[in-house]
Amino acid sequence: AQTVTQSQPEMSVQEAETVTLSCTYDTSESDYYLFWYKQPPSRQMILVIRQEAYKQQNATENRFSVNFQKAAKSFSLKISDSQLGDAAMYFCAYSAGTASKLTFGTGTRLQVTL
Amino acid sequence: DVKVTQSSRYLVKRTGEKVFLECVQDMDHENMFWYRQDPGLGLRLIYFSYDVKMKEKGDIPEGYSVSREKKERFSLILESASTNQTSMYLCASRLRGVRKDAGELFFGEGSRLTVL
Repeated sequence: AQTVTQSQPEMSVQEAETVTLSCTYDTSESDYYLFWYKQPPSRQMILVIRQEAYKQQNATENRFSVNFQKAAKSFSLKISDSQLGDAAMYFCAYSAGTASKLTFGTGTRLQVTL
Repeated sequence: DVKVTQSSRYLVKRTGEKVFLECVQDMDHENMFWYRQDPGLGLRLIYFSYDVKMKEKGDIPEGYSVSREKKERFSLILESASTNQTSMYLCASRLRGVRKDAGELFFGEGSRLTVL
């Protein structure tokens, strides 16, 4: 079974600084998808960024980028120029295919300080 | 925009009661999911459905059942609620099979259930 591990229950970053959230996963599949989701306090979960395993180039979305290391099964999220609105729970997730279920990690709570 | 609506944000029920959690999506998505979210455990999949009247067990189906009679609606049923089912329940939907949009789940706001 696929597993997703987030080893940092909580992280803190100062406004305007950069922070990296870690995620590792385990799979025997060669084609799969990885995601980072954000859950702000008392608000809906939303997709931050997506990476397709067959693409070697790391995905980027504005201030958010990933470091995808397929051989190491590592998928970290880098948030640059952190803003107060980035404070949230962040979940790493894995999907084996376009129609498969998503398996989530346990989450990392990010605090952004002034 | 995709909208996933969960019928109740907060519910308080007693042990042994039958509980229905309703979820409706408005974007004709084939796939729908019910997750449970608990601190330190992340999101765990209870059940999912690939199409009308189709369902598959997730990782923690015990004590739950589901119903999908219409494409837009996916219901989670707790046949006899217990205190260990106190949790946040998240419904999600997804378009199936399109690689460009593959995998992205659209979530509802969640239903926080307390079982006394």
